[in-house]
Amino acid sequence: DTGVSQNPRHKITKRGQNVTFRCDPISEHNRLYWYRQTLGQGPEFLTYFQNEAQLEKSRLLSDRFSAERPKGSFSTLEIQRTEQGDSAMYLCASSWVGLAGEQFFGPGTRLTVL
Amino acid sequence: GENVEQHPSTLSVQEGDSAVIKCTYSDSASNYFPWYKQELGKRPQLIIDIRSNVGEKKDQRIAVTLNKTAKHFSLHITETQPEDSAVYFCAAMDSSYKLIFGSGTRLLVRP
Repeated sequence: DTGVSQNPRHKITKRGQNVTFRCDPISEHNRLYWYRQTLGQGPEFLTYFQNEAQLEKSRLLSDRFSAERPKGSFSTLEIQRTEQGDSAMYLCASSWVGLAGEQFFGPGTRLTVL
Repeated sequence: GENVEQHPSTLSVQEGDSAVIKCTYSDSASNYFPWYKQELGKRPQLIIDIRSNVGEKKDQRIAVTLNKTAKHFSLHITETQPEDSAVYFCAAMDSSYKLIFGSGTRLLVRP
C-alpha cells in the first residue's frame, strides 16, 4: 500500500494518560499535516511540517499536544494528560510542495478518552 | 483567516437526479479548492479540485465551478447513484498551504 498510513487505528485511554499516534506519509511527499475531526464536522487543521520543520500550529493546539517529524519522513502526534474533549478522529495528510495542494489523507486514528 | 461555509447540510435526491452543493470562502488569496467524499468510518477521499485560474472542471459525472469574484464554488453531481451517498466536504487552501474545510453535506441518493 503506497498511501498514507496511520497507527494505531483505534485508541481507548483513560483521562490523564498520554497517547502517541504515528503517521507515515506517501514516500515522495514532503508536506505532512495533522487534522482533527469530530462527529459531524469537517477536519480542523492542527499543525503541518515541510520536511522536518514544523511550519505552523493552530491555536486549537494546546500545550498538551506536540508533534514531531524528526527525519522528514514519519510523524508522531502526542497528547499528554488526555481529556474527554480530546476524543476525536485524528487524521494525517500528505502532499508534495510542488503541487501546492492535493492532500491525501490517511485512515485516521480514532481516540476515545474515558 | 480563511472561513468556509457549506450548504446544504443535508441533501436527499432521487437516483438519476442531479445534486448541487455550494460553498463560499472569505479569503480572496485562496487559490485551491478541493472536494472530498467521506463514507462512514473512512478517510476523506479527494474527488475533484479546482485552482483559481480555472472557472470549471469536469470529471465524468462530477463537475466543480468557481466564481472568484463572488468567492463561491460548487460541486455538481449528475445522474446520481446510490453509491454517491456519503458526506461531501469542500475546502479552501489558505496562503499558508493548509486546508480550511466546510462543515459538510450529507448526501442521500434514494434508489
